[in-house]
Amino acid sequence: KAGVTQTPRYLIKTRGQQVTLSCSPISGHRSVSWYQQTPGQGLQFLFEYFSETQRNKGNFPGRFSGRQFSNSRSEMNVSTLELGDSALYLCASSSGRDIPAGTEAFFGQGTRLTVV
Amino acid sequence: GENVEQHPSTLSVQEGDSAVIKCTYSDSASNYFPWYKQELGKRPQLIIDIRSNVGEKKDQRIAVTLNKTAKHFSLHITETQPEDSAVYFCAANSTVAGGTSYGKLTFGQGTILTVHP
Repeated sequence: KAGVTQTPRYLIKTRGQQVTLSCSPISGHRSVSWYQQTPGQGLQFLFEYFSETQRNKGNFPGRFSGRQFSNSRSEMNVSTLELGDSALYLCASSSGRDIPAGTEAFFGQGTRLTVV
Repeated sequence: GENVEQHPSTLSVQEGDSAVIKCTYSDSASNYFPWYKQELGKRPQLIIDIRSNVGEKKDQRIAVTLNKTAKHFSLHITETQPEDSAVYFCAANSTVAGGTSYGKLTFGQGTILTVHP
């Protein structure tokens, strides 16, 4: 079974630009969650999509948005980039079902975003 | 919302020693507690998890314990090896009314484990 695939692996953008990151989950998984990882803040939850619907959202500004397609692939968009958005963006794939409590989440390699 | 505290932030042990990492959580409704290992430049990898209906789970040299009353859980690594050196993260899920667990994990700040040969 193929793992979680994120593209691109690295990105350099300038302030004010926007960026779109992609995540393909494990085949059969319907839930995709996005996390931002920085040395100072650790791993912080951005949002989760399940069956094309956002089920949960973290405490990030509206510049951060996402969507999920019918094949469960997900994209994350950040508009009007700021220097502080530089981070490793990780997506996690899980079945999304609650059996009986929580399901294993598997991470992609991440996209390293640098804003200059 | 959920808050997860993890200690210690760094841990240095000699090869063959045991290592213990502790986490506390705030939301008594949380019912799923995974642990991840992240090596430098790599993705976090799930190494073990525990659900609230279990007090302890073991997988070879790794074990996790959960104390629901005290709202804390711990990772125990025995007979440590240099390849165990990495950053370890604990996490807790979030539940909503009715008990449904959505795909949100709240992570601790991480523990840098160094195992000296």
